[in-house]
Amino acid sequence: GAVVSQHPSWVICKSGTSVKIECRSLDFQATTMFWYRQFPKQSLMLMATSNEGSKATYEQGVEKDKFLINHASLTLSTLTVTSAHPEDSSFYICSAMGPNSGNTIYFGEGSWLTVV
Amino acid sequence: DAKTTQPPSMDCAEGRAANLPCNHSTISGNEYVYWYRQIHSQGPQYIIHGLKNNETNEMASLIITEDRKSSTLILPHATLRDTAVYYCIVRVSDMRFGAGTRLTVKP
Repeated sequence: GAVVSQHPSWVICKSGTSVKIECRSLDFQATTMFWYRQFPKQSLMLMATSNEGSKATYEQGVEKDKFLINHASLTLSTLTVTSAHPEDSSFYICSAMGPNSGNTIYFGEGSWLTVV
Repeated sequence: DAKTTQPPSMDCAEGRAANLPCNHSTISGNEYVYWYRQIHSQGPQYIIHGLKNNETNEMASLIITEDRKSSTLILPHATLRDTAVYYCIVRVSDMRFGAGTRLTVKP
């Protein structure tokens, strides 16, 4: 299957700082990317959907000014958690699809964020 | 997207077939059935998908009922590494996850 890579795999940041997570599609053009977060023992929760070159569409209850999403190219999307707080600590997962992915969505490995 | 219902957990003996059911009674005509699995602390892994016909690949088989209101994912010879949470999702565009089925393969 297609490959989607996230970086970093894990990150620890201080409360009040911002942290950026990158999501790259390595072997296909990702016209659409999705960001999820997952708390322990829970399912994945869709945060936002982004189409290349457009503003992201955020799910209800997700603060767009706190979770900044950029999808400026067909291979890269970034999620920036601004002014992070301990309650933002979670597993963040991106996924991507494109015209050459057969309408199938492929997921990255996930990024663990711990805010101390 | 239509909602799916899966049993919260299942056990399977190593080497036996694992049959994971999914109900999607409100599925619409253009929605596909997708199956993913998530092994602890990893991103979900694509397994298989289908629209109407049964599908098979190197990982699994997908059986969709004629009325498309339910489906079954079959892992023909389960191994310990198949222990994971399995998600059945029906979708056209975005992908929303339910609680899934936690499959435990036992020796």
